Amino acid sequence: AQKVTQAQTEISVVEKEDVTLDCVYETRDTTYYLFWYKQPPSGELVFLIRRNSFDEQNEISGRYSWNFQKSTSSFNFTITASQVVDSAVYFCALTREEWTSDKLIFGTGTRLQVFP
Amino acid sequence: DTAVSQTPKYLVTQMGNDKSIKCEQNLGHDTMYWYKQDSKKFLKIMFSYNNKELIINETVPNRFSPKSPDKAHLNLHINSLELGDSAVYFCASSQGSGTSGSLDEQFFGPGTRLTVL
Repeated sequence: AQKVTQAQTEISVVEKEDVTLDCVYETRDTTYYLFWYKQPPSGELVFLIRRNSFDEQNEISGRYSWNFQKSTSSFNFTITASQVVDSAVYFCALTREEWTSDKLIFGTGTRLQVFP
Repeated sequence: DTAVSQTPKYLVTQMGNDKSIKCEQNLGHDTMYWYKQDSKKFLKIMFSYNNKELIINETVPNRFSPKSPDKAHLNLHINSLELGDSAVYFCASSQGSGTSGSLDEQFFGPGTRLTVL
């Protein structure tokens, strides 16, 4: 069975702190994809990153970075020098290649609050 | 230009009523989805359509019926609304249909907050 666990329900930090959001997944598939989405207070879902299971290279995009480790089935997300605009709920998601459509299994989300 | 749009944004209605939520995408995507986000923010897929055909139908009550008049639209009709249907419903679309190498990101609509009184 596929499952995504985001153990941190809520994280509060002060601006400029670095913060890491954890994501642990379960799957028996050898080919799968992992995603991170951001849901700001306005409610829409914003795509952040997609990573396939064969690419364990860490990714950096501005203040965002992702650490994919198959050995621990984790795909953690770090925000460096956090800003108030980073306040949102962040979802990690998983999908398997064999599904006939892009069915995403979401984690329960981590609410990040960044205080000035 | 809005990529995935949903109407209405807010919907407040009484138990037992029938209501519809509309979704349209102007991205030329082949696949569209409906997700339900409950009060605890948990997101779960409900339906997926690829080129107007139902692909995914999760364990959702029969009171929920998706309708896809064309591949740019996927509407959600809900009969006999219940209190537990209160949630935010997200429509999404993607280009891919799940074949190898074509798993594209999903673009989400702004969501429809449904409140059943």
